[in-house]
Amino acid sequence: NAGVTQTPKFRVLKTGQSMTLLCAQDMNHEYMYWYRQDPGMGLRLIHYSVGEGTTAKGEVPDGYNVSRLKKQNFLLGLESAAPSQTSVYFCASSYSIWTGGKETQYFGPGTRLLVL
Amino acid sequence: GESVGLHLPTLSVQEGDNSIINCAYSNSASDYFIWYKQESGKGPQFIIDIRSNMDKRQGQRVTVLLNKTVKHLSLQIAATQPGDSAVYFCAETQKTSYDKVIFGPGTSLSVIP
Repeated sequence: NAGVTQTPKFRVLKTGQSMTLLCAQDMNHEYMYWYRQDPGMGLRLIHYSVGEGTTAKGEVPDGYNVSRLKKQNFLLGLESAAPSQTSVYFCASSYSIWTGGKETQYFGPGTRLLVL
Repeated sequence: GESVGLHLPTLSVQEGDNSIINCAYSNSASDYFIWYKQESGKGPQFIIDIRSNMDKRQGQRVTVLLNKTVKHLSLQIAATQPGDSAVYFCAETQKTSYDKVIFGPGTSLSVIP
């Protein structure tokens, strides 16, 4: 199993540009999540999905959109990048909630995004 | 509450000693807690978890203690090794709102050889 993979690993954008971050998991997980991690702060949830075709807003959804067209993929889009979106983005996945103790989220390696 | 600081608390430990990393959680309704390890340039990795109906759980070289009275969680690492150097953070969540996982800002553990 590759687990959770993210593409790209690093990207530099200019203000106003758009891009899509791709997350893929091969564990047949129902739940997928996008977080951002900023220096000195805990992970903050951007959007999440509880199954194919579903998405929901997290704590900091503004400026981002997501899609879950296939169970194994969760895409995070930035339509018009801003310097405030400079961060490290982590994707995670998990089994359905409270399923035999397998609630743990498995994280990808992260995507470092710099918006100039 | 959420930390807005730019500097993580740092713990320096001599190799072979035991490490204790503390976490104060925010929501008294939280009933599931997780400790993660994050090495530089990598994603968080699950270490150990504990439910609110327990006050102690042991893994391999790690022990988590939960004190619900003061909303405190600790991670103990026995015989700390250089490979344990990383940022450790706790997370809390509730059975009724799993999307609301709250992550702490973390503690940076540095192991001195």
